Amino acid sequence: AQSVTQPDIHITVSEGASLELRCNYSYGATPYLFWYVQSPGQGLQLLLKYFSGDTLVQGIKGFEAEFKRSQSSFNLRKPSVHWSDAAEYFCAAISTDSWGKLQFGAGTQVVVTP
Amino acid sequence: NAGVTQTPKFQVLKTGQSMTLQCAQDMNHNSMYWYRQDPGMGLRLIYYSASEGTTDKGEVPNGYNVSRLNKREFSLRLESAAPSQTSVYFCASSELKSNQPQHFGDGTRLSIL
Repeated sequence: AQSVTQPDIHITVSEGASLELRCNYSYGATPYLFWYVQSPGQGLQLLLKYFSGDTLVQGIKGFEAEFKRSQSSFNLRKPSVHWSDAAEYFCAAISTDSWGKLQFGAGTQVVVTP
Repeated sequence: NAGVTQTPKFQVLKTGQSMTLQCAQDMNHNSMYWYRQDPGMGLRLIYYSASEGTTDKGEVPNGYNVSRLNKREFSLRLESAAPSQTSVYFCASSELKSNQPQHFGDGTRLSIL
């Protein structure tokens, strides 16, 4: 069965420190991959997406993600975290031939400490 | 700059009551979706509509019905609410291609007592 796994339910990071959120996928072929962020009480906002090509993808708010086919991973990174980055982050995937059925990971809650 | 608008934002129901959640998008997208979000489970697809006039079941459709009223609007109905349907409901829209990102509303927080 296809799945998206975010191994870390909760991460605490100090302001100014680097952040890496893990995402692993299990699909027959490489899916399209997305990272979304959800601030408290808000909907989901797209941070970045990967379809093909360059394995390092740049997104909004200073985030980037690296696709590694050999590890079936699509990890999200930010070099220096700001207090406003405290939110829940979701990795999502969709098969290239499976329109509409976006599959989400369980999410990673990020807490930023002063 | 509305994007995807959901109403209401909050609702409390009693078990057995019915309710319709409304969703409208102004991005001229063909496709619309309803998800529910529960702690530790991410978002799960309830129903989706590829285009006006079509609807299909997602991962967790039981207890729900949908109506694609026109290209802009996609409603979700709970005919007889149950406590297990307490959740945050999100509507989303996108172009009709798998590589197009979905755009989300701010959600409806629904509690069923």
